[in-house]
Amino acid sequence: KQEVTQIPAALSVPEGENLVLNCSFTDSAIYNLQWFRQDPGKGLTSLLLIQSSQREQTSGRLNASLDKSSGRSTLYIAASQPGDSATYLCAVRYGETSGSRLTFGEGTQLTVNP
Amino acid sequence: NAGVMQNPRHLVRRRGQEARLRCSPMKGHSHVYWYRQLPEEGLKFMVYLQKENIIDESGMPKERFSAEFPKEGPSILRIQQVVRGDSAAYFCASSLTGLGNEAFFGQGTRLTVV
Repeated sequence: KQEVTQIPAALSVPEGENLVLNCSFTDSAIYNLQWFRQDPGKGLTSLLLIQSSQREQTSGRLNASLDKSSGRSTLYIAASQPGDSATYLCAVRYGETSGSRLTFGEGTQLTVNP
Repeated sequence: NAGVMQNPRHLVRRRGQEARLRCSPMKGHSHVYWYRQLPEEGLKFMVYLQKENIIDESGMPKERFSAEFPKEGPSILRIQQVVRGDSAAYFCASSLTGLGNEAFFGQGTRLTVV
């Protein structure tokens, strides 16, 4: 069964701290992996897309890594700010056998305290 | 580029009524996906469509739910004879092509069945 797990479920940090969110997936035959941010009552904002051939992607204070062999991805947020408070979702495309759908983790709810 | 547009943003239906949710993909995107997010749960895939074709409906309940993406106009997710358990946020995403491309999400339609 193709599953995506995110740990921790919730995280609270003081402003300015660097932090890491974890995502693990059960099948290493992924096509790509995408990190999203979801604010309460809102839609999903795409943060980073990593293709299976890539090891990492960076955008501003965000860096996402991918290790297919271990079935893991991490999202690193540098110098966190209160505006980073949101739920962060990891989603995996498992490739042609699963069509083009994304399989989502349950998310990590991040709170950055001023 | 206006992004993925969903309407209505909020929809209230009485049990037994029909709900119609609309999704206009990003300009130039011909691939549309519908996901459902139940309260306190993660996003679950429902259906994947390309223009005029249903590619994968494995996540959609076989009864009462249907989806279409006509040659002209938005994609429609239709729920007949709604029940309280259908109350959820329904998200639409689009991508330029299938597997390799980034998926962009709309703001969602929050359906409440009373």
